[in-house]
Amino acid sequence: SQTIHQWPATLVQPVGSPLSLECTVEGTSNPNLYWYRQAAGRGLQLLFYSVGIGQISSEVPQNLSASRPQDRQFILSSKKLLLSDSGFYLCAWGASPSVHEQFFGPGTRLTVL
Amino acid sequence: GESVGLHLPTLSVQEGDNSIINCAYSNSASDYFIWYKQESGKGPQFIIDIRSNMDKRQGQRVTVLLNKTVKHLSLQIAATQPGDSAVYFCAENPPGYALNFGKGTSLLVTP
Repeated sequence: SQTIHQWPATLVQPVGSPLSLECTVEGTSNPNLYWYRQAAGRGLQLLFYSVGIGQISSEVPQNLSASRPQDRQFILSSKKLLLSDSGFYLCAWGASPSVHEQFFGPGTRLTVL
Repeated sequence: GESVGLHLPTLSVQEGDNSIINCAYSNSASDYFIWYKQESGKGPQFIIDIRSNMDKRQGQRVTVLLNKTVKHLSLQIAATQPGDSAVYFCAENPPGYALNFGKGTSLLVTP
């Protein structure tokens, strides 16, 4: 069966520090991968998606970047965090563009102070 | 841009009653819709989906209804239980890769 992992689970970082969140998927090949951000009491905002290694699409201009160095690994990064980067970050995978269902990881709670 | 919205931000129901969570969507090109359940501090979990060529789909204790005429989606939960307390999101899929999520409805089940 497929599983999706995210780490760390929680993170507290000072403003201006770098960020690296990792997401890995097991049990599937060539998944579509997604990064979402969820502000407190709000919906899900799509940040990035990837349909293959090295292929990243950005949905909104922001202080973050994403990379996909391996088929089942998706990384969210920042060189300098802002206060507004605080939130709950969710990684998700989908089987293919023609199968729309997405499966979410457990999330990372990021607090920027 | 077009967006998915929910009619009620919070819904309180008594244990054993049926719950109905509503969702309005505005992109008529959307051909796929999903309901997710998100418990506090966790990632959303898939509940049920429906394609635009259907108007009803049933799962275990849940039913999704789609009314394309008025662009309305609803999730019905039968015999609501305390474990159903969570935030429920609907999502629409316009042609392309990205799902468009609504803000969510918080369901609170009281004894």
